[in-house]
Amino acid sequence: GIQVEQSPPDLILQEGANSTLRCNFSDSVNNLQWFHQNPWGQLINLFYIPSGTKQNGRLSATTVATERYSLLYISSSQTTDSGVYFCAVATSYDKVIFGPGTSLSVIP
Amino acid sequence: EAGVAQSPRYKIIEKRQSVAFWCNPISGHATLYWYQQILGQGPKLLIQFQNNGVVDDSQLPKDRFSAERLKGVDSTLKIQPAKLEDSAVYLCASSPNRGLDYGYTFGSGTRLTVV
Repeated sequence: GIQVEQSPPDLILQEGANSTLRCNFSDSVNNLQWFHQNPWGQLINLFYIPSGTKQNGRLSATTVATERYSLLYISSSQTTDSGVYFCAVATSYDKVIFGPGTSLSVIP
Repeated sequence: EAGVAQSPRYKIIEKRQSVAFWCNPISGHATLYWYQQILGQGPKLLIQFQNNGVVDDSQLPKDRFSAERLKGVDSTLKIQPAKLEDSAVYLCASSPNRGLDYGYTFGSGTRLTVV
C-alpha cells in the first residue's frame, strides 16, 4: 500500500521563526489534506491541497503531485502553532492514510 | 453548528473487559469514520460508514472490535475483550460525503487505557 512519510519528526522553534514541514508519499494520490492536532488532541483541517498552492494567513501549503510531495510553511510562528501536523492522503479507492506527523513546539 | 460529540472522554478498563464508545456526528453528514490513534502515531482508520452502510472495515480487528451506525446517525464502537495494545485514543470524524475534499470534522476523542 501507499506509504506516507513526514519530516522532520520533531521541531522546536523560537517564537517568530519560520518553518517548512514536508510530506512525501510513495504513489499517486487523488487527495491530500493537512491537519493540525493541538496539545489537547483536537484535530483541525488546515488545507485541502491535492495540487498547487494555498495560503491562509501565516500558513501556506504547496503540493507537487507529480513529484509526490507536499510542503506546509509556517511563518512568524506563535506558541499557539504548537502541536502535531499530519498530512493525510487518499488513493483512487478513497482510502485515507495519515502520515506519522511532525511534532512542533514553539517556545516564547 | 454543533461539532462531533464523543463519549466518554476517558476510560480505564482491565484487559479482557469490554468497552463501548459513542459518537454523534454533525447533523446531515453522510460519512462517519472511527480512527484509532496510538500515542506518537498518526490516526489509523478502523471503519468508515456511508449513511448506515459499511464502506471500509479492512483494518478493523473483527475478532474483538465491532461497530454499528444506527439509522445512519449515531455510531457505537465496541471492543470485547480488550487487550493491552488497544490502549489508544479513539477518534470519530464525520464529513458531508466520502473524500478528503469534503472536509473532516473530528470529535475530541475517547482516551482508552487498558491495564
